Amino acid sequence: DVKVTQSSRYLVKRTGEKVFLECVQDMDHENMFWYRQDPGLGLRLIYFSYDVKMKEKGDIPEGYSVSREKKERFSLILESASTNQTSMYLCATVTPLAPSSYNEQFFGPGTRLTVL
Amino acid sequence: GDSVTQMEGPVTLSEEAFLTINCTYTATGYPSLFWYVQYPGEGLQLLLKATKADDKGSNKGFEATYRKETTSFHLEKGSVQVSDSAVYFCALTRGYQKVTFGTGTKLQVIP
Repeated sequence: DVKVTQSSRYLVKRTGEKVFLECVQDMDHENMFWYRQDPGLGLRLIYFSYDVKMKEKGDIPEGYSVSREKKERFSLILESASTNQTSMYLCATVTPLAPSSYNEQFFGPGTRLTVL
Repeated sequence: GDSVTQMEGPVTLSEEAFLTINCTYTATGYPSLFWYVQYPGEGLQLLLKATKADDKGSNKGFEATYRKETTSFHLEKGSVQVSDSAVYFCALTRGYQKVTFGTGTKLQVIP
């Protein structure tokens, strides 16, 4: 089974702090994703990565950056946390691209971040 | 662009009631369709999937049929249990690794 772990389940930070959220997967998948989940808005894609040192912006990248130095680890960085970044953050990885268009995503348990 | 619309929640049902959660989508081509479930305090996990028109995905008593003519993928279960209480997300992908999610529907099943 694919295992996706996130460094913290709950995190409380202050406005202006630099915040690191880490995600590790054990299945050697190339593709990794960071989402935020907010009530009434569902999941919104922040950034994704197709390979080491490769990253692409998702739908809401403002205020975030990412790092992918090793294949199994994908970090989300809040350079200067703000209260509107209080949310649930979910990391996911995906099975390799198959001839069909089927791509199941595997999710970590999530990190609930509160910015005071 | 791609989009997924699912019914607003929360949905509250008594145990053993019939469940339907509606989902419609907008996408070009032939997307793959998914239902994910999120139990309290956990991340999302795949519930079922369908990769082409008229396919029926099924798992744990849940079913959904890929209807291209109505661009729908409604989730159904004949008899819900308290343990089915969760948030359900409809989603699609067109094979570019990126997944588009609906806003989620919270289901509460009462004994």
